[in-house]
Amino acid sequence: DVKVTQSSRYLVKRTGEKVFLECVQDMDHENMFWYRQDPGLGLRLIYFSYDVKMKEKGDIPEGYSVSREKKERFSLILESASTNQTSMYLCASSFAGYGYTFGSGTRLTVV
Amino acid sequence: AQSVSQHNHHVILSEAASLELGCNYSYGGTVNLFWYVQYPGQHLQLLLKYFSGDPLVKGIKGFEAEFIKSKFSFNLRKPSVQWSDTAEYFCAVTSGNNNNDMRFGAGTRLTVKP
Repeated sequence: DVKVTQSSRYLVKRTGEKVFLECVQDMDHENMFWYRQDPGLGLRLIYFSYDVKMKEKGDIPEGYSVSREKKERFSLILESASTNQTSMYLCASSFAGYGYTFGSGTRLTVV
Repeated sequence: AQSVSQHNHHVILSEAASLELGCNYSYGGTVNLFWYVQYPGQHLQLLLKYFSGDPLVKGIKGFEAEFIKSKFSFNLRKPSVQWSDTAEYFCAVTSGNNNNDMRFGAGTRLTVKP
């Protein structure tokens, strides 16, 4: 089975901190994604990457950046965390988009 | 970009009742359609998917969905729900030409009373 591993299950950070969320997949998938999940809003796409060093903006990229230096790893960066970025963050990977595999999520609280 | 609407935010059923969750998408071209489930405290899991062929798709745990192109719909059904089906259900779509842009609906929370 494909495994998508997110490094932290819960994080608490202070406003203004730089935050790194890490995601690793073990099946050599080209495509990786970051979503945030909020009640009543479903999952919203922040960024995705279809190859090493490639990235594309999703629907809500403001306040976020990403890094993909290796195929298996896709990092989400909050340059200066704000309270409205408190959310559940989900990483996913796919091969040619034929169904995504999701990680367990990181619940980030910004205080 | 394509978008997805799930009109039922919270559905409450008794065990053995039949289930139908609505999903409509907006995109004029070829689409791929998905239903995901998220059980409490767990990660998203794929229930079923449609790419082409028979518009009636059968998934895991007795779920099925029907793609009706003329209605831009992909409703999820189950003839008889169980308490263990309590979860949140998400409909999702990618465009046929670009599978790198999955968009999700807001989700439907299903509560099944024993």
